[in-house]
Amino acid sequence: DTGVSQDPRHKITKRGQNVTFRCDPISEHNRLYWYRQTLGQGPEFLTYFQNEAQLEKSRLLSDRFSAERPKGSFSTLEIQRTEQGDSAMYLCASSFTGTVTRNEQFFGPGTRLTVL
Amino acid sequence: GIQVEQSPPDLILQEGANSTLRCNFSDSVNNLQWFHQNPWGQLINLFYIPSGTKQNGRLSATTVATERYSLLYISSSQTTDSGVYFCAVLKSTNAGKSTFGDGTTLTVKP
Repeated sequence: DTGVSQDPRHKITKRGQNVTFRCDPISEHNRLYWYRQTLGQGPEFLTYFQNEAQLEKSRLLSDRFSAERPKGSFSTLEIQRTEQGDSAMYLCASSFTGTVTRNEQFFGPGTRLTVL
Repeated sequence: GIQVEQSPPDLILQEGANSTLRCNFSDSVNNLQWFHQNPWGQLINLFYIPSGTKQNGRLSATTVATERYSLLYISSSQTTDSGVYFCAVLKSTNAGKSTFGDGTTLTVKP
C-alpha cells in the first residue's frame, strides 16, 4: 500500500494524559498536513510541513499541541494534558509541490481520539 | 479567511436518481478538490478541479472559478454512493491551508 498511513487508528485516553499520533506520507511527497475533524463538520487545518520545516500553524493548535517532521518523512502530532474537547478525528494528508502548479492532497485513514 | 459553503446539507435519493451538489467559495482559489468520506472516515479523492469540467464514470464536476462555485454531478446513484461529500479549496498553490465546507450528506435508498 503506497498511500498515506496513520497509527494508531483509534486511541482512547483519560483526561490529562498525553497522546502521540504518527503519519507516514506518500513517499515522494514533500508536504504533510494535519487536520482535525469533529462530528458533522468538515476537516479543519491544524498545521503543515514542507520537508522538515513547519510552515504554518492554525490558531486551533494550542500550546498543548506540537507537531514534528524531523527528517522530512514521517510526522508526529502530540497532544499534552488531553481534554475532552480534544476528542475528534485527526487526519493527515500529503502532497507534492514542484514546478507544476498543482497541490493535490491525499488523506490517510485518520486517528480517532476519544478522551474520557 | 476564505469561506466555503456547500449545499444542500442533506440529500436523500432513490437508487438510480441523479443529483447535483454545490460548493460556493468567497474568494478566488487556485486549487479545488472534491472528496467522498466513507463510513469509516477515509477521505477519497474524487476530483482535482480548479477550473473546467472533468468526468469519471458516473461522476462529473465543473468549476467556474470566475463565479466562485463548483458543482459535483452524480448520475444513476447507487447505495454505495452514500456518505459525505466535501469540497476543499486552496487560495494559492503555495499555501498550505485547505479550507473545507461542512459537506453534503448523501443517502441513497435501495
